[in-house]
Amino acid sequence: GQQLNQSPQSMFIQEGEDVSMNCTSSSIFNTWLWYKQDPGEGPVLLIALYKAGELTSNGRLTAQFGITRKDSFLNISASIPSDVGIYFCVSGTASKLTFGTGTRLQVTL
Amino acid sequence: DVKVTQSSRYLVKRTGEKVFLECVQDMDHENMFWYRQDPGLGLRLIYFSYDVKMKEKGDIPEGYSVSREKKERFSLILESASTNQTSMYLCASSLGTVSNQPQHFGDGTRLSIL
Repeated sequence: GQQLNQSPQSMFIQEGEDVSMNCTSSSIFNTWLWYKQDPGEGPVLLIALYKAGELTSNGRLTAQFGITRKDSFLNISASIPSDVGIYFCVSGTASKLTFGTGTRLQVTL
Repeated sequence: DVKVTQSSRYLVKRTGEKVFLECVQDMDHENMFWYRQDPGLGLRLIYFSYDVKMKEKGDIPEGYSVSREKKERFSLILESASTNQTSMYLCASSLGTVSNQPQHFGDGTRLSIL
């Protein structure tokens, strides 16, 4: 099946630092989504991207849909402890979504 | 807010048992999904449904079946549970076509098969 290569697998950062993670695919997609999963909960949608080149912000989060339609990145500025969790890139077609393997983020004080 | 409710947070069953995982959503969504989540593998789609009594296989349907008798409820069935089905199971729902509408997830059921 389709695969999304997400990196890094995990990150340990200090509070206040900026974070960057990305996702690449061998296939072209029309949609890129970024979800966050807090410990013990289900994933929650953070940002949705529907057009190549689109740059979208949600508070301290910024995500971009790559112009080749094969990649996306997510940036978090000035990280805080509640940013801890697993971040998933998600993409796919009209019939099915594919999840990346996730980036586990740990924030230290 | 959309609410997706999974019947159990934790479940322990024995090998060979028939196991039912229940999921209910309260927003009249057409689409419902079952995933399993394993470390290092992300979320993998087991089955999904676009309408009542309709089901489609996902990427890893082997050993599972589903039932959607009512629009709000989507059940995942392990016909004869095996230890390799120990995992976190996540249910999701969405309105309309998958690519245009985000999926809303429940909090998951952590299933252990002994």
